[in-house]
Amino acid sequence: EDQVTQSPEALRLQEGESSSLNCSYTVSGLRGLFWYRQDPGKGPEFLFTLYSAGEEKEKERLKATLTKKESFLHITAPKPEDSATYLCAVQAGGYQKVTFGTGTKLQVIP
Amino acid sequence: AAGVIQSPRHLIKEKRETATLKCYPIPRHDTVYWYQQGPGQDPQFLISFYEKMQSDKGSIPDRFSAQQFSDYHSELNMSSLELGDSALYFCASSLGGQTYEQYFGPGTRLTVT
Repeated sequence: EDQVTQSPEALRLQEGESSSLNCSYTVSGLRGLFWYRQDPGKGPEFLFTLYSAGEEKEKERLKATLTKKESFLHITAPKPEDSATYLCAVQAGGYQKVTFGTGTKLQVIP
Repeated sequence: AAGVIQSPRHLIKEKRETATLKCYPIPRHDTVYWYQQGPGQDPQFLISFYEKMQSDKGSIPDRFSAQQFSDYHSELNMSSLELGDSALYFCASSLGGQTYEQYFGPGTRLTVT
């Protein structure tokens, strides 16, 4: 069974203090690893898809990287508006099912 | 840009009642997914449809059923509602059965009393 573990569960940063979120996964035949941002009471907002080890993608202050066992979401000089829960998810094998991790709740303090 | 539309946004039902949630995917998207998210939990995959056929099934209770119609919208039917069914229900859509990028709707908050 696919497993996704995110750490830390919660992270509190000062504005401008860079950090990384971790997503460890165990799957058979990774097809894609996704990062989403979710604000309270709203649907997850798509950020990135990574397909193979060594791949990197960037968007504004966010950069996602992928190895064979984990992915990192690097946040550079975060702002208060980056506060949200960041979800990692995987799709594997021949299935459309997507398995989510429990997320990292990020709080950026001005 | 058009997004995924879900209706209703909020729904209050009593135990043992029936509920129907609707999802309208992004135009040209042919794949729809349903997720259930309890308070403080991650989204749990329920079921997906590609080109109007069920394509995958997750932890969907037997009391729930879903289908995708000819215009690609989807409906999730929930019967014999239980208190534990109270949650946010998200629909997501993507283009192509093998496409990985899912775009989520705003969700329907179901409260069972």
